[in-house]
Amino acid sequence: EPEVTQTPSHQVTQMGQEVILRCVPISNHLYFYWYRQILGQKVEFLVSFYNNEISEKSEIFDDQFSVERPDGSNFTLKIRSTKLEDSAMYFCASSEPLWGTNYEQYFGPGTRLTVT
Amino acid sequence: TQLLEQSPQFLSIQEGENLTVYCNSSSVFSSLQWYRQEPGEGPVLLVTVVTGGEVKKLKRLTFQFGDARKDSSLHITAAQPGDTGLYLCAESSYGQNFVFGPGTRLSVLP
Repeated sequence: EPEVTQTPSHQVTQMGQEVILRCVPISNHLYFYWYRQILGQKVEFLVSFYNNEISEKSEIFDDQFSVERPDGSNFTLKIRSTKLEDSAMYFCASSEPLWGTNYEQYFGPGTRLTVT
Repeated sequence: TQLLEQSPQFLSIQEGENLTVYCNSSSVFSSLQWYRQEPGEGPVLLVTVVTGGEVKKLKRLTFQFGDARKDSSLHITAAQPGDTGLYLCAESSYGQNFVFGPGTRLSVLP
């Protein structure tokens, strides 16, 4: 069964460093997303991406963040100048429209980012 | 931005018991997804409900979408320890932004 994959599974970085989180969405999906989940808190939407551009982003997704689809398979989230509060699980997801305006979203296993 | 509420926040039951958890919104859902998330893992899609009044069954899980499409419930029959996890509902606006509820954390004790 097709699945979303993410690498690395765990990333430890020092405050102020840049990190790139990688995702391979399901191959025939057209919509891609990044979410984060701070330990013990709810899943928070960061950004959605369609047709090689950002289609929607949340207030969390400020200039510190960027996304890219550098080739036909990878989808990346770059976090510049990391802060302690960026420590969280970061989930990638992809979806395709079922019909009309209805979508089903499939998540990867996540990358645990720890900023020290 | 649509806000989703889920209740109860926590639920601890014995194996074999039945339970129902709820997802509510002040606005009408276009469609609603239910997920289960285990610690350290990503949410796993269980079901999508679209039509008001719709009922879907997935083995011992029964999902219902309210007639007005502003609420949904998940009923588990004869819960098992393997059902333990965080149950999340989510709604999307034309696939652009999925809004998640805070979840119901279920613990099924053997």
